[in-house]
Amino acid sequence: EPEVTQTPSHQVTQMGQEVILRCVPISNHLYFYWYRQILGQKVEFLVSFYNNEISEKSEIFDDQFSVERPDGSNFTLKIRSTKLEDSAMYFCASIREFTGTSGRRSTGELFFGEGSRLTVL
Amino acid sequence: GQNIDQPTEMTATEGAIVQINCTYQTSGFNGLFWYQQHAGEAPTFLSYNVLDGLEEKGRFSSFLSRSKGYSYLLLKELQMKDSASYLCAVRDSGAGSYQLTFGKGTKLSVIP
Repeated sequence: EPEVTQTPSHQVTQMGQEVILRCVPISNHLYFYWYRQILGQKVEFLVSFYNNEISEKSEIFDDQFSVERPDGSNFTLKIRSTKLEDSAMYFCASIREFTGTSGRRSTGELFFGEGSRLTVL
Repeated sequence: GQNIDQPTEMTATEGAIVQINCTYQTSGFNGLFWYQQHAGEAPTFLSYNVLDGLEEKGRFSSFLSRSKGYSYLLLKELQMKDSASYLCAVRDSGAGSYQLTFGKGTKLSVIP
């Protein structure tokens, strides 16, 4: 079964350092997402990406964050200067949405990767 | 904005039936998801309701009433492996949007 893969599974970094989290979405998916979950809290939307550009972003996704699809398969989240409060599990997700022959849009399932745990010291 | 409420914790007995409720107040609505999340793992998709009514999928069913801003997830024939957090999430309006707003999750403990 196809899956979303993420690396690294766990990264420890010093405050102020840059971090890049990598994701390989499912190959025929068109929409990509980053969500995060601070330990013990709810899953929060960060950003969505379609057609090589950001389509939506939340208030959390400030100038310290950026996303990129450098080579047509990887989808990366960069945090330029990490803060303590950036410590969280970061989930990549993807979906393939299309309109079927009946004209009805398929809602599809949002597939999540296993997550990258970021610890900022 | 979206506000989603669900109970923090529930306990049920193996083999029993449990209903996890979710209420939402939203400025836009394009469907409601239920996800299962085991500790330290990614959320996995359980169901998606966009129209009122009941969707059944094996031991899991999900119900939606848009007029009441209410959904529930029904789990039948509970198994120990069903112990997990169950996340209610609302899809923001917009045909191409899968910006989901999640509730805090309901931690279900299944006991023998």
